[in-house]
Amino acid sequence: GAGVSQSPRYKVAKRGQDVALRCDPISGHVSLFWYQQALGQGPEFLTYFQNEAQLDKSGLPSDRFFAERPEGSVSTLKIQRTQQEDSAVYLCASSPGLSTGEQYFGPGTRLTVT
Amino acid sequence: DQQVKQNSPSLSVQEGRISILNCDYTNSMFDYFLWYKKYPAEGPTFLISISSIKDKNEDGRFTVFLNKSAKHLSLHIVPSQPGDSAVYFCAASLSNDYKLSFGAGTTVTVRA
Repeated sequence: GAGVSQSPRYKVAKRGQDVALRCDPISGHVSLFWYQQALGQGPEFLTYFQNEAQLDKSGLPSDRFFAERPEGSVSTLKIQRTQQEDSAVYLCASSPGLSTGEQYFGPGTRLTVT
Repeated sequence: DQQVKQNSPSLSVQEGRISILNCDYTNSMFDYFLWYKKYPAEGPTFLISISSIKDKNEDGRFTVFLNKSAKHLSLHIVPSQPGDSAVYFCAASLSNDYKLSFGAGTTVTVRA
């Protein structure tokens, strides 16, 4: 079946622009996660959804970052007034369960802020 | 504060030999550990996991060992194959938590 898909795959934004990154999780997966991966580092947790409810946004680096999953499937990560330090790969992952276990990752969106 | 550490950024191994990847963690509450493999321009894919009630888990060519007292785990790949060339991430979580804490990754290159 189809895996997790993300769009766009690459995004170049000028500093100060707003961007929106989309994630299509595996159909039926309850849990959805967003991670940020800086160059040479491992993914770092940003936020977690259980269906449409955002249960944890403790990893969002600033109030410029906003995520939603209004119907419990597709999710969007929005970054307002992008800064150079926002340049990273943004990974989305989904899992069928509610707690620990394997997470299925999408290919990521590489965001470059110039 | 990096709770999961992979201190070797890279590893080169000859085809057919064993690859050993190491991972250390600082949070003694972690009780579920995973290894992910990542090819360029793709997302990480799950490889193998281990719960803290075990000290070894094996799946084909891949074996993960857990030493809770040392807060250390390792991934053994034997025999190594060219297709194993990738970045390997160690991750850890609490058993009733969803958050994964990742190490920085180890790039494995398998030489023919």
